Amino acid sequence: DAGVTQSPTHLIKTRGQHVTLRCSPISGHKSVSWYQQVLGQGPQFIFQYYEKEERGRGNFPDRFSARQFPNYSSELNVNALLLGDSALYLCASSLGLLTDTQYFGPGTRLTVL
Amino acid sequence: QQQVKQSPQSLIVQKGGISIINCAYENTAFDYFPWYQQFPGKGPALLIAIRPDVSEKKEGRFTISFNKSAKQFSLHIMDSQPGDSATYFCAASKSTNAGKSTFGDGTTLTVKP
Repeated sequence: DAGVTQSPTHLIKTRGQHVTLRCSPISGHKSVSWYQQVLGQGPQFIFQYYEKEERGRGNFPDRFSARQFPNYSSELNVNALLLGDSALYLCASSLGLLTDTQYFGPGTRLTVL
Repeated sequence: QQQVKQSPQSLIVQKGGISIINCAYENTAFDYFPWYQQFPGKGPALLIAIRPDVSEKKEGRFTISFNKSAKQFSLHIMDSQPGDSATYFCAASKSTNAGKSTFGDGTTLTVKP
């Protein structure tokens, strides 16, 4: 079975640009969470989506937004990129909202110049 | 606010030795405590997890010890192998929703042959 997939693998953008990151959860999983992992730190929770609705948001500015599609895949959008947005963006999926196990994808490495 | 504190930041162990990584949490609402293993270029992978109703959980060479009163938990890797060299993250969440996990900052483990 395929695990969580993310695209693209790597991305280079310049300050002020916009970026869209994509995630496909494990088949049958309906919940998707997004995390930001800055080099040398642990993942930080950004968003959780379940059944196309936002179910949680971490301490990130409004430049960050996300959505979930009917097939449960998800997009993370970041506007007006800053140098500090350079990080590994991880997507994790879980069966549902009331579950204790999440599975991570390989991440998208975003570099902002 | 750092809700999960992890130590040490880095650890070097000889092959066959015991690796010990510690975490402390603040939010008493947390009741699910997983450990993740991350290799370079990969997303975190669930290694082992514990709930506060038990004080210890063992899976193969990996053991979690949990101290509810001290709000601390630790990962013990017995008979450490060079293949265990990776970054380890502790995390905490409510068991009803691991999709909103709070992570420690990670421990880079190096096992020398």
